[in-house]
Amino acid sequence: DADVTQTPRNRITKTGKRIMLECSQTKGHDRMYWYRQDPGLGLRLIYYSFDVKDINKGEISDGYSVSRQAQAKFSLSLESAIPNQTALYFCATRGAYDNSPLHFGNGTRLTVT
Amino acid sequence: KQEVTQIPAALSVPEGENLVLNCSFTDSAIYNLQWFRQDPGKGLTSLLLIQSSQREQTSGRLNASLDKSSGRSTLYIAASQPGDSATYLCAVSGTNAGKSTFGDGTTLTVKP
Repeated sequence: DADVTQTPRNRITKTGKRIMLECSQTKGHDRMYWYRQDPGLGLRLIYYSFDVKDINKGEISDGYSVSRQAQAKFSLSLESAIPNQTALYFCATRGAYDNSPLHFGNGTRLTVT
Repeated sequence: KQEVTQIPAALSVPEGENLVLNCSFTDSAIYNLQWFRQDPGKGLTSLLLIQSSQREQTSGRLNASLDKSSGRSTLYIAASQPGDSATYLCAVSGTNAGKSTFGDGTTLTVKP
């Protein structure tokens, strides 16, 4: 089983709908991240969390919200989806130290029509 | 603000060739640099992690080097194979609360 699991793998939704992407990990890491990837724009950080009570905005947090339900679970929500949120979304985890490696999930491909 | 650049954006080589991918960063105050492989539409697989105190790391046919003072890292792939075709990304972890900055990647095609 994967250490970092994202669900769903693919999702098509309509403009204005609320959608939640979920991430769970079995690595026991405190730090979790949400990135989006767009062609030509690389990976950009949406939100990150260092523990259940510590949640921080990344560089592109507008239009998104997150919830850290437990150490192992970090969800990303789009309150009212818009077409330019169509992208590949990745969850990642890292251990307690800044020099720990990043571990990624397999991604969620989201299409907003 | 840390900026990470990968050149070239795309590279095509014949099978068997040795090749080098480049990654440069603007702020040398880093904890580590990590190289990833990404197949189309898939997740990122970690290849090598170099800590700031290290000069290089090796795994099989891959060798990554780090020159922190000049803000450069290279990923050397020996005896390339068609299965090496993918996008290779580097990510720098700096003194910014455990966040990493990514390059846009180099898309490698190895022709049989």
